[in-house]
Amino acid sequence: QTVVTQEPSFSVSPGGTVTLTCGLTSGSVSTTSHPSWYQQTPGQAPRTLIYNTNTRSSGVPDRFSGSIVGNKAALTITGAQADDESDYYCVLYMGSGIWMFGGGTKLTVL
Amino acid sequence: EVQLVESGGGLVQPGGSLRLSCAASGFTFSRFWMGWVRQAPGKGLEWVANIRQDGGEENYVGSLKGRFTISRDNAKTSLHLQMNSLRAEDTAVYYCVRWDLDAGYYYYMGVWGKGTTVTVSS
Repeated sequence: QTVVTQEPSFSVSPGGTVTLTCGLTSGSVSTTSHPSWYQQTPGQAPRTLIYNTNTRSSGVPDRFSGSIVGNKAALTITGAQADDESDYYCVLYMGSGIWMFGGGTKLTVL
Repeated sequence: EVQLVESGGGLVQPGGSLRLSCAASGFTFSRFWMGWVRQAPGKGLEWVANIRQDGGEENYVGSLKGRFTISRDNAKTSLHLQMNSLRAEDTAVYYCVRWDLDAGYYYYMGVWGKGTTVTVSS
């Protein structure tokens, strides 16, 4: 079975740039995978960040951007801030009405 | 204000059943796909199920098909998840989500509830 992959963890310095990726164990991610990204801090519900590959949800700072890089979806944070320290999840459409989240990336800002 | 409020979580014994509900407000409920996402303690998010606007199509993660049933009542603007034959591994926070549509084609989870906690334990 094809699985959605994300880096388990990543670290970035304040003010730095980081790119998190979302791939497939088999095949490539494209816009038809409907890639979207969600941010979650401990004890809170997820918050929608990016949808349709690269569209920011309302209220999301423009330091967050989405793209397709190679065969993966990517979330880039430019000028990371302390409160960006969160878990980040992507979700992809797998076909036949089925969706799958990646395992999530724990981002540390230090 | 657009809002999704889950209820119905609690402690249930293995093999038992539970019915979760999600009360929607602030938008025209009948125009949206709706769904459930869950998160086991210390784990990541897992898509559980979706249901079409008219209730005529339901999709489930493969591992849950047959035990869980999603349904909706458009007149009461509510979403439900009937969970049967519950197992310890079903212990999780269950989130109600609204599926939004961008550019007429691209779906995403645009609105999230705060979640309701289900604990399966003897």
